[in-house]
Amino acid sequence: GQQLNQSPQSMFIQEGEDVSMNCTSSSIFNTWLWYKQDPGEGPVLLIALYKAGELTSNGRLTAQFGITRKDSFLNISASIPSDVGIYFCAGRGSNTGNQFYFGTGTSLTVIP
Amino acid sequence: NAGVTQTPKFRVLKTGQSMTLLCAQDMNHEYMYWYRQDPGMGLRLIHYSVGEGTTAKGEVPDGYNVSRLKKQNFLLGLESAAPSQTSVYFCASETLQGYEQYFGPGTRLTVT
Repeated sequence: GQQLNQSPQSMFIQEGEDVSMNCTSSSIFNTWLWYKQDPGEGPVLLIALYKAGELTSNGRLTAQFGITRKDSFLNISASIPSDVGIYFCAGRGSNTGNQFYFGTGTSLTVIP
Repeated sequence: NAGVTQTPKFRVLKTGQSMTLLCAQDMNHEYMYWYRQDPGMGLRLIHYSVGEGTTAKGEVPDGYNVSRLKKQNFLLGLESAAPSQTSVYFCASETLQGYEQYFGPGTRLTVT
């Protein structure tokens, strides 16, 4: 199947710092999604991206659809303790049929 | 509007037993999906459905069966459970046009 490489695997940051994470794929995608998952819960959709170069914000979160269409980035500004969780990317392209493929997640810890 | 719900939340099975996981959505979504989530791996697609009465295999379908008799429900069956099926199972739904998947809270299954 498709491989989505998500990095970093984990991050430990001080409250108030900015965070950046990214996902790269081995093939071209036409949709990128970013999710957050809290322990014991299902993933919650944060941002959806549909065009190469698109930059979309949701509060303190900003995500970008890479111009190569093989990568995407998520930034969190001025982190707060409730940002703690695991962040997943997911991508879909014409060669993946109806399937989204998911990254392995970035675990974020915010130190107050 | 409950979104996507899953039952049960937890289950312990012995090897060889069978069970059915139920997913229900009240958003009138056409597409529904079953994923499994294992430590260190991204969500992997088991089976999916693009409409009532239709199902298709995903990335890891072996050992599972599904049915979509009603648009709002998607059932995942394990006919003869194996320890390798110990996992957290998530259901998701998606509109025909939206390209965004919404997840349920998950079912934690342990097979001993």
